[in-house]
Amino acid sequence: GNSVTQMEGPVTLSEEAFLTINCTYTATGYPSLFWYVQYPGEGLQLLLKATKADDKGSNKGFEATYRKETTSFHLEKGSVQVSDSAVYFCALSPQTGGYQKVTFGTGTKLQVIP
Amino acid sequence: NAGVTQTPKFQVLKTGQSMTLQCAQDMNHEYMSWYRQDPGMGLRLIHYSVGAGITDQGEVPNGYNVSRSTTEDFPLRLLSAAPSQTSVYFCASRMTGSGGLYEQYFGPGTRLTVT
Repeated sequence: GNSVTQMEGPVTLSEEAFLTINCTYTATGYPSLFWYVQYPGEGLQLLLKATKADDKGSNKGFEATYRKETTSFHLEKGSVQVSDSAVYFCALSPQTGGYQKVTFGTGTKLQVIP
Repeated sequence: NAGVTQTPKFQVLKTGQSMTLQCAQDMNHEYMSWYRQDPGMGLRLIHYSVGAGITDQGEVPNGYNVSRSTTEDFPLRLLSAAPSQTSVYFCASRMTGSGGLYEQYFGPGTRLTVT
């Protein structure tokens, strides 16, 4: 079946540090890949997505590139802010057959300290 | 647009009680789903629906029922609450289409405690 593996958290960084959160997946074909962010006390919201190999998704200074050869979709940001403190979820949606069933990673909590 | 709304925000139940978690969306999305979020386990799909009158089970359906009589509403019923159902519940909706291109929109969640 499909699966998503994220790096364990929590991740604690100082403001303006570089962020990488690793995400690898297992799926057949070419799934769509997503990063969602969950701020404290809120639901998840889409951060960025990529729907085919070599696509780069970007939003709010965050980026992730769909790497088919390494089955990865790592999230990066060059300079984090305190307001980026949240839980980040990597997710995939299958290309065909049961496309409704999105598979989520377990989430990575990011804490940014001033 | 209000997006996806959920009520209540918090709920405490005693073991054996039943209740309904409400979910509504105003984006005319055909696909709606319920997830539960537990520490260290990410989100797990409980039930989903691809349109009015059509529902199906997800990964963890036991102890929950759903129905979809309108496009807008997708309530989740706990039949006889158990402590193992203590969790945060999220409702989500999305457009349907091939290739899983569309992102999901999530409600703010319902935090349920079963004692």
